[in-house]
Amino acid sequence: AIQMTQSPSSLSASVGDRVTITCRASQGIRNDLGWYQQKPGKAPKLLIYGANTLERGVPSRFSGSGSDTDFTLTISSLQPEDFATYYCLQDNNYPATFGQGTKVEIK
Amino acid sequence: EVQLVESGGGLVQPGGSLRLSCAASGFTVSSNYMSWVRQAPGKGLEWVSVIYSGGRTYYSDSVKGRFTISRDNSKNTLYLQMNSLRAEDTAVYYCARDRTPTFWGQGTLVTVSS
Repeated sequence: AIQMTQSPSSLSASVGDRVTITCRASQGIRNDLGWYQQKPGKAPKLLIYGANTLERGVPSRFSGSGSDTDFTLTISSLQPEDFATYYCLQDNNYPATFGQGTKVEIK
Repeated sequence: EVQLVESGGGLVQPGGSLRLSCAASGFTVSSNYMSWVRQAPGKGLEWVSVIYSGGRTYYSDSVKGRFTISRDNSKNTLYLQMNSLRAEDTAVYYCARDRTPTFWGQGTLVTVSS
């Protein structure tokens, strides 16, 4: 199975900060990568699919980039509602695999 | 409106079985990729299984041979049959639609304990 290594596992940031989260695949996955946001007690919410396509209704401060093995989720200006846990998911090859998650906390 | 509603979770003893259901509305289950994803208490997301529109299925290594994904087209419902359950299967189980899951249910809790 393809392993997804996500970093950092957690970070502290302030409102207005630029935040970057990375995922590295153990082998090439083209651009078959999604990014999710999850808040406590809630189902995950898709933010980005195809590595860089913003899901409908998701604020433009979220962006994704990368291909093959290295991917990045960027939040250009962190808002109070963005404090959550973020996951990447590769669906290039089954079994699909999630990254370990990045918890974004308030500094 | 697309909606997914899971049911069937509960407390089961190790070695036991449980069948989860995911009732869909607003779209046709058989025309879409449908997945199960789980999350153990306090842990990250774990992909479990997928069924293609054409019927092909895939499983994670941790559940292969024990879990079976299926669907009932007449009921527009997705299922996950879970056999030989272990303590490490304790989790909230979500069903979701699309290859890169877009729509998710609210989840159903499965607890495996004696």
